[in-house]
Amino acid sequence: DAGVIQSPRHEVTEMGQEVTLRCKPISGHNSLFWYRQTMMRGLELLIYFNNNVPIDDSGMPEDRFSAKMPNASFSTLKIQPSEPRDSAVYFCASSLSGDRSNQPQHFGDGTRLSIL
Amino acid sequence: GNSVTQMEGPVTLSEEAFLTINCTYTATGYPSLFWYVQYPGEGLQLLLKATKADDKGSNKGFEATYRKETTSFHLEKGSVQVSDSAVYFCALKNDYKLSFGAGTTVTVRA
Repeated sequence: DAGVIQSPRHEVTEMGQEVTLRCKPISGHNSLFWYRQTMMRGLELLIYFNNNVPIDDSGMPEDRFSAKMPNASFSTLKIQPSEPRDSAVYFCASSLSGDRSNQPQHFGDGTRLSIL
Repeated sequence: GNSVTQMEGPVTLSEEAFLTINCTYTATGYPSLFWYVQYPGEGLQLLLKATKADDKGSNKGFEATYRKETTSFHLEKGSVQVSDSAVYFCALKNDYKLSFGAGTTVTVRA
């Protein structure tokens, strides 16, 4: 079975450029999550979608970050303009009935982002 | 609020040694508890879970028991292999929110 698929796996770009990260959740999952992982702050939830609708975006750092989920099988996380402090590994995760505590989240392999 | 505290690493062991990673939590309501494992360059993989008090989760020789009285969910494996070298995360889930511990790096030497 295909897991959560993220692209690209690695992205290196210069400060000020627009960055778009992509995610395909597991088929049938109706909840999608974007996380950021850094050494200093660990894993942080950026945004949570349920049935393609953003439910909690309180973790989005600032207006430079935006996320969309146009359909059940695709989501994007965009950073514009990018800054060096955005360098991190970004993970997408999906789950069934994400608001139920007993449902685990399944993670993709992440996008390692480096902003020069 | 919800929080997870796990033992700091790194932990270095010899093959076939016994592994314990301590995890304690603070939570409101009735959370589920999880252990995730992250191998180098990969995402987090669900290792095991427990959804209510006294449940024992197990997978690949790893076990953890949901202890409500001590608010703990310690991970154990009786005989580790080199392939178990990874970062292990304890996590608590209430509603949709996963709260992670800081992660424990485990290195197993041949």
